[in-house]
Amino acid sequence: DAGVTQSPTHLIKTRGQQVTLRCSPISGHKSVSWYQQVLGQGPQFIFQYYEKEERGRGNFPDRFSARQFPNYSSELNVNALLLGDSALYLCASSFSQGYAEAFFGQGTRLTVV
Amino acid sequence: AQSVSQHNHHVILSEAASLELGCNYSYGGTVNLFWYVQYPGQHLQLLLKYFSGDPLVKGIKGFEAEFIKSKFSFNLRKPSVQWSDTAEYFCAVSGGSNYKLTFGKGTLLTVNP
Repeated sequence: DAGVTQSPTHLIKTRGQQVTLRCSPISGHKSVSWYQQVLGQGPQFIFQYYEKEERGRGNFPDRFSARQFPNYSSELNVNALLLGDSALYLCASSFSQGYAEAFFGQGTRLTVV
Repeated sequence: AQSVSQHNHHVILSEAASLELGCNYSYGGTVNLFWYVQYPGQHLQLLLKYFSGDPLVKGIKGFEAEFIKSKFSFNLRKPSVQWSDTAEYFCAVSGGSNYKLTFGKGTLLTVNP
């Protein structure tokens, strides 16, 4: 039984570039949430999508955007990358909007140089 | 706004010692509380959760936590730790708008054999 799949695992980008991160939820799960985990800190909420609609947005600039597709997979886009965007980006998948049975992926490690 | 405070940044114990990790939260309404663990190189995993009912919650791998509403606390305990418990532990809360989890900064637990 496949868990939450995130791609790519690692990537390196240059300041000013744009990046797209992908998340495939567990089969049957309709909610995908995105978190940013900076080294030494707990994950910070970026977005939640449920049934293909944005249900919540964290305190992140407009350079961050996301969407959810009809098959419930999701993409997180970050434009005009800054050094401070270097972090582990986590995706969480759940059947409903809450976190009672949420599962996290292994994350995408983004390094901005 | 909801917030979570974890008292200890790094805890070092010997095997068989007892563990208690502190967690306090700030939120004015009904909360759902979680403890997650992140083993080195692995994804976030749910240890236990509290939604309602018995304030003493038992989770996986012998962990338990007690919800004390009057103290806004949800401390994690284990009577006897093992070397394999070495990991980072995160306390998290979701409130009425349950689309997001708010995490604490995490506690790194090192268990020496």
